Amino acid sequence: KQEVTQIPAALSVPEGENLVLNCSFTDSAIYNLQWFRQDPGKGLTSLLLIQSSQREQTSGRLNASLDKSSGRSTLYIAASQPGDSATYLCAVSYDTGNQFYFGTGTSLTVIP
Amino acid sequence: GAVVSQHPSWVICKSGTSVKIECRSLDFQATTMFWYRQFPKQSLMLMATSNEGSKATYEQGVEKDKFLINHASLTLSTLTVTSAHPEDSSFYICSASKPLSETQYFGPGTRLLVL
Repeated sequence: KQEVTQIPAALSVPEGENLVLNCSFTDSAIYNLQWFRQDPGKGLTSLLLIQSSQREQTSGRLNASLDKSSGRSTLYIAASQPGDSATYLCAVSYDTGNQFYFGTGTSLTVIP
Repeated sequence: GAVVSQHPSWVICKSGTSVKIECRSLDFQATTMFWYRQFPKQSLMLMATSNEGSKATYEQGVEKDKFLINHASLTLSTLTVTSAHPEDSSFYICSASKPLSETQYFGPGTRLLVL
C-alpha cells in the first residue's frame, strides 16, 4: 500500500519567514509528484508538478524539490505572507493519468 | 486551460435520501475521472475510478451499491450516494485526466451534510 506522509502536521510562522514543508512516500517508483493548496472548505489548487525525472520545480516564491531515491519531496516557501495560510497537500501518482495518493497535509498559518 | 466543475457545491439532506453529485470537464474530454472523499481533518482518499463507457473500479472498503458512479460521456461523471446516512457526510472531490496527461484537474468539491 502506498503511503504518503507529511511533516509537520501544522506549522505557524511570522510573516516574512522562509519555510519548508516535507513529504515522504514509501514506494519510490513514482511517475510524478504534485503539491496542492487547499483553503478551508474549498477544493484543491495545483501549485507545482514534478516529473519523476526532475529534481525541482519553481513558481514564484515556491520551490519544490524531489529526491526520488529517498522517497522525499520538499516545498520551500520564501518570504511567507498571511495569504499563504492554507493546508498544503502533496500527492504522488504511479502512472500517467492514474490516481493520486495524497499525504496527510500540513496546515500552515502565517501570522501578520 | 482545463476546468472541472462540480454540482452542487453543497447539499444538506435527510437520512435515507439519495444525493447525486455531478462532475464535468468543461473544456476537455476526460476518459478517466476519479472520485475522492475527505473527512474533516483528514486527507483525500480515493473512492473509485470512473472510466467512460465502462463500470467504475472501487477501492477496497467502498460499497459500490451505495456509491453509484455513472460515466456516461467524456465530459460527465456522476456519483450518487444512495440512502445517505450521517456517516456519509463528507467533502467529495472529483478529478479528471486528459488522455496521456501528466496530471489531473480537480473540481471544487461538494460538501454533503446528512441530517
